[in-house]
Amino acid sequence: DAEITQSPRHKITETGRQVTLACHQTWNHNNMFWYRQDLGHGLRLIHYSYGVQDTNKGEVSDGYSVSRSNTEDLPLTLESAASSQTSVYFCASSDGGGSGSSPDTQYFGPGTRLTVL
Amino acid sequence: LAKTTQPISMDSYEGQEVNITCSHNNIATNDYITWYQQFPSQGPRFIIQGYKTKVTNEVASLFIPADRKSSTLSLPRVSLSDTAVYYCLVLGGSQGNLIFGKGTKLSVKP
Repeated sequence: DAEITQSPRHKITETGRQVTLACHQTWNHNNMFWYRQDLGHGLRLIHYSYGVQDTNKGEVSDGYSVSRSNTEDLPLTLESAASSQTSVYFCASSDGGGSGSSPDTQYFGPGTRLTVL
Repeated sequence: LAKTTQPISMDSYEGQEVNITCSHNNIATNDYITWYQQFPSQGPRFIIQGYKTKVTNEVASLFIPADRKSSTLSLPRVSLSDTAVYYCLVLGGSQGNLIFGKGTKLSVKP
């Protein structure tokens, strides 16, 4: 069955280190998204991509970067991890190939819990 | 983007019908109302989406009045496994990214 996976599921790192979180989907979806979820804030969009070689900044993109070299993967990199980036990170994908008359359904991964010490 | 307002939390008992209302006074003509569900330690999951009147699927029903300024998610005969946070979102057809509020935390008790 098609799915979306994230790895690692849990990560502890130190301030200043570079960290990359992986996201892989097998639906062949055009659109992929990264969100972070913190207590009291709901989910906030970090970066998103509408296709290979396309990346866009979201609401809270500072300190994060993404690259889209193929359809299946959108890795999220924290260039220099900070304690404020301790959070749960969710990746999502959607088809994006419809007529646009109704919003696409997004399918979320299981999340990565990142702790920056 | 239309702002949504929904209760922070709700309590219910097993077997009851639960109705969660969402206000979206500034909804635009081409906006849809979409609900997601999130269980603890999991990513959100799409439940239902509608534009007007009533939509029903195997999980829930969505009631949207004619003025579309509010909507009600109805969960029939809830069970303990329906304990989750429910998010109401208002989205345009071409909008790719989602903007989540704080949602409604539903607690179902035995």
